[in-house]
Amino acid sequence: EIVLTQSPGTLSLSPGERATLSCRASQSVSSSYLAWYQQKPGQAPRLLIYGASSRATGIPDRFSGSGSGTDFTLTISRLEPEDFAVYYCQQYGSSPVAFGQGTKLEIK
Amino acid sequence: EVQLVESGGGLVQPGGSLRLSCAASGFTFSSYWMSWVRQAPGKGLEWVANIKQDGSEKYYVDSVKGRFTISRDNAKNSLYLQMNSLRAEDTAVYYCARDLMTGSGLNWFDPWGQGTLVTVSS
Repeated sequence: EIVLTQSPGTLSLSPGERATLSCRASQSVSSSYLAWYQQKPGQAPRLLIYGASSRATGIPDRFSGSGSGTDFTLTISRLEPEDFAVYYCQQYGSSPVAFGQGTKLEIK
Repeated sequence: EVQLVESGGGLVQPGGSLRLSCAASGFTFSSYWMSWVRQAPGKGLEWVANIKQDGSEKYYVDSVKGRFTISRDNAKNSLYLQMNSLRAEDTAVYYCARDLMTGSGLNWFDPWGQGTLVTVSS
């Protein structure tokens, strides 16, 4: 069973800055089957990235994903006010699918 | 617009039962696997169960096997989760989600419903 560890737990940044969020897997994730989701308070998660680097429909290009094997990164190039939220990674390369514990991106 | 709307959550005593529903619209429901994913208060996400397009295959996380049953009615574009023998640790927001699948049958989720809160407490 793959365990995903996200870091940092909380990231404090200002609008306009660059955000780099990490997701590390306990074993290699097959075929880079890794997704990223954004969740705002009181809302459902929203798919941002799948296949480690493919943006979901309607996701702005300031969001990008990268990585392979055990190390994956979500980068937000220039933070907009609406980007402050909790971000989760999820692996679907092996059973059972699993989520990381989340990174909270907060306004500094 | 693709939409998923859950209902049926509420307060239930330990050992009790509850049936969640999810109404789908805006896509061909019968063409997709569907899942339930839950989130305990202040916690992360946990996949609970999923079901194949025709209902012939169902999978569950170990912690709910034998207690929860996922089902669907393609004629009504609806997904269900029957939850029996509920425990305090089942307290969570339950989300309905459409599965997107790899060739090996593993899944990621898009979109998600708004969720329905299940509270198990005496």
